Formats: sequence, C-alpha cells, structure tokens
Amino acid sequence: DAGVTQSPTHLIKTRGQQVTLRCSPKSGHDTVSWYQQALGQGPQFIFQYYEEEERQRGNFPDRFSGHQFPNYSSELNVNALLLGDSALYLCASSWWGRQSDEQYFGPGTRLTVT
Amino acid sequence: AQSVTQLDSHVSVSEGTPVLLRCNYSSSYSPSLFWYVQHPNKGLQLLLKYTSAATLVKGINGFEAEFKKSETSFHLTKPSAHMSDAAEYFCVVSDPDGTASKLTFGTGTRLQVTL
Repeated sequence: DAGVTQSPTHLIKTRGQQVTLRCSPKSGHDTVSWYQQALGQGPQFIFQYYEEEERQRGNFPDRFSGHQFPNYSSELNVNALLLGDSALYLCASSWWGRQSDEQYFGPGTRLTVT
Repeated sequence: AQSVTQLDSHVSVSEGTPVLLRCNYSSSYSPSLFWYVQHPNKGLQLLLKYTSAATLVKGINGFEAEFKKSETSFHLTKPSAHMSDAAEYFCVVSDPDGTASKLTFGTGTRLQVTL
C-alpha cells in the first residue's frame, strides 16, 4: 500500500519564477491538504482540496494556488516566487468528513528560492 | 480559532530517563489532538491521537499522552528515553469546519537524548 508521495524531492528556483509541486495521496484517500514548513517552524496550513475544489484556505496570498485531479492527486502552484517562499512543502491526505482521523504526510518537497 | 502552545522549544534528557513534552491547547470545539514526530530529513509520523474517547492515549514506541480538559493540556510522556527518540515533536489540533478539517501545529519541541 503506497503512502503519500511527492515530487520533486528538491527544487531550486529564482525569484519571480513559478513552480509546481505534485502529490499523490495514500490509496483510498480523497482529500489532500498542503502545508508550508519554514526552517525551524511548525507546518502552516495552505489549503485543502476535495472533489477537485478548494474547501479551506489558510492565510496565504493568491500567488499560492492548487488543483486536484479526478484521481485525487494534487498540484500546488506558486507564482512570482519570493525568497520567503523557501521552505519544505508537505502534502497530507485523509478521508473527507472524518475530522478526528489523522492526516498522512508525504516526505515533502524542499523548495529553495535564490 | 484553535491553537496549541508547546511550552518548551528544546528538551534534553539522558537515555533511560523519562520524557515530558508539554502542550496546551485552545479550542472552541471538542478538539481532536495529535502528537506528530519528525526525524531529520523525514516526513511527519503520527505518534498518537485523542478524539474524545479515553483521556489517556497510548501511542507508538512507548509514548502516551493525557488529555486534561480542566488544564487544557495534552502533554506527551515516555517512561524511558531511547537514542532513537531524538527528533522534533509537534502538538497538533484539528480545526473542523463542517466536514473539512485543517491541522494547526505548535512550534515544535526538539528532543535531544544524551548518553
């Protein structure tokens, strides 16, 4: 049973560029959430997708956008990259409507903006 | 809004001695609380969760936590630390919004285990 997978593992971009990160949820899960973890901090919620729609959003600017596909996989897009966007981006999957259940996390994508 | 406060950013213990990582929460709802562990260059792994059943929750690797509503606390303990326990630990609260949920993380406690 494959867990949550993310690609790429590492990424280096220049300020002003755009980036796309990818996530495949754990088998059977239908909900994908994205988190940003800056160095030395706890993960911060970006947004959550279910049935190909954004259901909840954290305090992140519109430069951060996402998409969910019919097979439940998801993408995170960040436009006009800033140095402050350098972080570990974590994807988590779960079942919709089961708030008390844990979310399963992928290994993350380390984004460095220079 | 829900939040968690981890009272120690860094805890150092000797191998074989007890571990205590402290967490206080704030919630308008009946909360779901979790402890996750993050080893260097690895993803987040669930240690245990509280979901309004038993107040004393047992997790993996000998960890347990007690939910105390009167103190709004959810401290993580382990009777005897092992070198492999050295990692970053996060206290987390689930913020349900209808059927959606987002996780709110504390700032983390780095556990150091010495010989």
